[in-house]
Amino acid sequence: QKEVEQDPGPLSVPEGAIVSLNCTYSNSAFQYFMWYRQYSRKGPELLMYTYSSGNKEDGRFTAQVDKSSKYISLFIRDSQPSDSATYLCAMSAIRTSGSRLTFGEGTQLTVNP
Amino acid sequence: DAMVIQNPRYQVTQFGKPVTLSCSQTLNHNVMYWYQQKSSQAPKLLFHYYDKDFNNEADTPDNFQSRRPNTSFCFLDIRSPGLGDAAMYLCATSRGQGDGYTFGSGTRLTVV
Repeated sequence: QKEVEQDPGPLSVPEGAIVSLNCTYSNSAFQYFMWYRQYSRKGPELLMYTYSSGNKEDGRFTAQVDKSSKYISLFIRDSQPSDSATYLCAMSAIRTSGSRLTFGEGTQLTVNP
Repeated sequence: DAMVIQNPRYQVTQFGKPVTLSCSQTLNHNVMYWYQQKSSQAPKLLFHYYDKDFNNEADTPDNFQSRRPNTSFCFLDIRSPGLGDAAMYLCATSRGQGDGYTFGSGTRLTVV
């Protein structure tokens, strides 16, 4: 079983739709939860960062972490064509030798004008 | 702007011919990572440096080596590239514990 499972998609939505992206994980030691956005042929860029359980909002983006269910989500409100990208969830545990992110396989999102 | 720079963006190498990919950072981050990402797959950690301390992943093939001569630079050496090593190679940095990564734009390696 993979440590991190991500809804594979691909996902295609009309402009303005609310998008929900989800990941589950098995390692209860994970404390830090992130979402990265990766445009085609580019490196991932950090979109949202959450420590432990709870919600975090940044503009049109909301990240939710439910550690009891080992489940994280990213919501995108009023989606735009520029949001079309692959979204990767990532998480890490506390380590002394530098945090080690474990990624989901990504969900490819297309927002149609 | 502070950033992570990878060179080259695209690299074509012959089967079995050694190749080196480079990464530099202006963020002064302690940790530098090398990830391999194949099409539609999650990035896979190959190894990372915490300052000068090298940490290899257990399943990273011996064919892959890395050097970090100073804080700013890190290199990925592939001694004898095979067709299965064709991938995007991503360099990333972080300050350490629980910190988000800053990624470079990646080097896309083609093996012919």
